[in-house]
Amino acid sequence: DGGITQSPKYLFRKEGQNVTLSCEQNLNHDAMYWYRQDPGQGLRLIYYSQIVNDFQKGDIAEGYSVSREKKESFPLTVTSAQKNPTAFYLCASSSGEEGQPQHFGDGTRLSIL
Amino acid sequence: AQSVAQPEDQVNVAEGNPLTVKCTYSVSGNPYLFWYVQYPNRGLQFLLKYITGDNLVKGSYGFEAEFNKSQTSFHLKKPSALVSDSALYFCAVRDIWMDSSYKLIFGSGTRLLVRP
Repeated sequence: DGGITQSPKYLFRKEGQNVTLSCEQNLNHDAMYWYRQDPGQGLRLIYYSQIVNDFQKGDIAEGYSVSREKKESFPLTVTSAQKNPTAFYLCASSSGEEGQPQHFGDGTRLSIL
Repeated sequence: AQSVAQPEDQVNVAEGNPLTVKCTYSVSGNPYLFWYVQYPNRGLQFLLKYITGDNLVKGSYGFEAEFNKSQTSFHLKKPSALVSDSALYFCAVRDIWMDSSYKLIFGSGTRLLVRP
């Protein structure tokens, strides 16, 4: 079945450490997105990529970095510059065509040790 | 700027009763509206969308939504609620960025609790 796979499901970060969250999709979608979800705040866009080798900052990109070297993969690195990283991180993809919905992975929950 | 609001943090309904989860929007141009559902520790699942056409949109799991242009609303409805419908529901509106790419702006979410 086609879908989006996020790993790991749970991740713990030590102070000063960078961690990378994986997102892989086999839907042949061009566009991919990273969101952060905090309680009571809905979803906020971190980064998005419309096509391979191109990505753009979203609303809360500070302290995060991404790469898009392959169409299927869009990893997110939470750097030590992100002082409040504890959250639920969601990856999504879409065809990029107008009106098409985004499809989501099951998320990674990141906590600070 | 596009925006969407979900005025209720939580909606409580008895099983078998009709349910409504409210959403209002503010957009320039034609609105593209979406509803998603999220179960605990899971990603969002797409329920339905309004792009154009009939104001009543039917979606997954028996849900439907009514688009009302004059009231700028897109309320989610179901004629008979199930306990298994208990989840977090998000309304979203499409936004177009300067590079012509599309993104979604999400509401803050409404928790639906269906009691037996």
